[in-house]
Amino acid sequence: DAKTTQPPSMDCAEGRAANLPCNHSTISGNEYVYWYRQIHSQGPQYIIHGLKNNETNEMASLIITEDRKSSTLILPHATLRDTAVYYCIVGNTGNQFYFGTGTSLTVIP
Amino acid sequence: GAGVSQSPSNKVTEKGKDVELRCDPISGHTALYWYRQSLGQGLEFLIYFQGNSAPDKSGLPSDRFSAERTGGSVSTLTIQRTQQEDSAVYLCAGREAGNTEAFFGQGTRLTVV
Repeated sequence: DAKTTQPPSMDCAEGRAANLPCNHSTISGNEYVYWYRQIHSQGPQYIIHGLKNNETNEMASLIITEDRKSSTLILPHATLRDTAVYYCIVGNTGNQFYFGTGTSLTVIP
Repeated sequence: GAGVSQSPSNKVTEKGKDVELRCDPISGHTALYWYRQSLGQGLEFLIYFQGNSAPDKSGLPSDRFSAERTGGSVSTLTIQRTQQEDSAVYLCAGREAGNTEAFFGQGTRLTVV
């Protein structure tokens, strides 16, 4: 079973920041938080992952709360091509990746 | 290869036939995952391999489903006596040791008629 909870859908205006929340209240100490996205008819694409520190790369930023029970993926300047389903997953080495139902993000022109 | 390769990309089969789906992960990726995605749904976990062994088969929906992995590389997912409800996209992902990201293939779209 998925260990994460996400809102089913969100909208974001083009050019604005998209903030996608994820709850993972049962996360274990050695489990990382991963984010993927899936654009229609394609395989999921890795975005970012982190353990407890905030992370940033060329695609997004990941903010993890101090108690690690929730996190937020931030797309700083959403474009129409960011319209996708975004999945938050917790997992570690040698562990399965359980995907939940994700958040369907629609970027509006 | 440069990425995860799955074959065939599309498969149409008659109800009751057996099918084999293949996944060729990136070289050196010791962990391998199979998922199923029905139309408009999320990814349903099927099975996970570490090397050639499968510590977690909990997601296989019935005994008609089986998977194997040989040489720590290629994996085959077999569905026996296919049913219409087996129609879905079957996705494979591979991962290196350590807390690294998983790389997905583009999937096999299975249609049972």
